[in-house]
Amino acid sequence: EPEVTQTPSHQVTQMGQEVILRCVPISNHLYFYWYRQILGQKVEFLVSFYNNEISEKSEIFDDQFSVERPDGSNFTLKIRSTKLEDSAMYFCASRAGTPSISYEQYFGPGTRLTVT
Amino acid sequence: DAKTTQPTSMDCAEGRAANLPCNHSTISGNEYVYWYRQIHSQGPQYIIHGLKNNETNEMASLIITEDRKSSTLILPHATLRDTAVYYCIVSPSSGGSYIPTFGRGTSLIVHP
Repeated sequence: EPEVTQTPSHQVTQMGQEVILRCVPISNHLYFYWYRQILGQKVEFLVSFYNNEISEKSEIFDDQFSVERPDGSNFTLKIRSTKLEDSAMYFCASRAGTPSISYEQYFGPGTRLTVT
Repeated sequence: DAKTTQPTSMDCAEGRAANLPCNHSTISGNEYVYWYRQIHSQGPQYIIHGLKNNETNEMASLIITEDRKSSTLILPHATLRDTAVYYCIVSPSSGGSYIPTFGRGTSLIVHP
């Protein structure tokens, strides 16, 4: 069964460093998402991506964040200068697009980001 | 988005049916009810969704009341691996964009 994969599973970085989290969505899916979950908190939406551009983003997704789909298979989230409060689990998700009218998303296993 | 209300926690004996309720009294006519679950430290997992008819798949059944103001997710024979947080989410109006809003969900504990 096709699944969303994410690498690395755990990333430790120092404050101020740049990190790139990688995701391989399910092939033939058209919509891509990043969410984060701070330990013990809710799953929070960061950004959605469709047709090679951001379609929606939350207030969390500020200028320090960027997303890219560099090669038609990978979908990356970059944090330019990490802060302690960026420590969280980051989940990538994808969903099939039109003509499907169902909106279920398929999530990856997550990357645990620890900023020290 | 229509707001949902779920109990904070529930427990169930292994092998028995787990019935997880959700209230969504402000749901509008073209909004769907979606259920996801999140097993500890894993990504959310889609379970099932429905509009007004009852739905069943290999994971669960979804019963939606006739007035659509509430629904129940049924795991017919719960196993220990079904221990997870279950989220009931109402989709916004139709369109290309749909961003599920995850609340606190119901923490289901299945015990031996």
